[in-house]
Amino acid sequence: DGGITQSPKYLFRKEGQNVTLSCEQNLNHDAMYWYRQDPGQGLRLIYYSQIVNDFQKGDIAEGYSVSREKKESFPLTVTSAQKNPTAFYLCASRQREWQPQHFGDGTRLSIL
Amino acid sequence: KQEVTQIPAALSVPEGENLVLNCSFTDSAIYNLQWFRQDPGKGLTSLLLIQSSQREQTSGRLNASLDKSSGRSTLYIAASQPGDSATYLCAVLRGSQGNLIFGKGTKLSVKP
Repeated sequence: DGGITQSPKYLFRKEGQNVTLSCEQNLNHDAMYWYRQDPGQGLRLIYYSQIVNDFQKGDIAEGYSVSREKKESFPLTVTSAQKNPTAFYLCASRQREWQPQHFGDGTRLSIL
Repeated sequence: KQEVTQIPAALSVPEGENLVLNCSFTDSAIYNLQWFRQDPGKGLTSLLLIQSSQREQTSGRLNASLDKSSGRSTLYIAASQPGDSATYLCAVLRGSQGNLIFGKGTKLSVKP
């Protein structure tokens, strides 16, 4: 079945540590997105990529980095510069702008 | 700046009732509007997508309408069931790059 796979489901970060969240899709979608969800808030866009080897900052990119070396993969690194990383992270993809975005099941990141 | 508001924040209804969830947006220049469902600790499931040129979309017991001029969308759920209990999110598409702006959601509880 086609879909978006996020791993791990739960992740714990120590002080000063960088962690990487994985997002893989087999939908052959061009565009991929990373969102952050905090309790009581809507989703906020971190980074997005319209095509391989190209990506743009979203509304809250500080403290995060991404890469898009393959069409099917869009990993997100939460760096030590992100001082409040505890949140639910969601990856999404879509084919064309008039088509719906499809989401993975998310990764919950917590601080040790 | 586009802002999306969902009212009410929470709603509790008895099983079998028809209900309406509301979504409003401040900038009518949208490409489309998408309604999602989110179960606790899970990702988002796309329910309906309405293009800016459309007035409504239907899927089973769900009907979504769009009035761009007034900046409003509604999600109508007919004959609600306990399995409909979830948080419902609406999001508008800003720009051709496909970036969604989300509301904070309406948490629906359908009591047996």
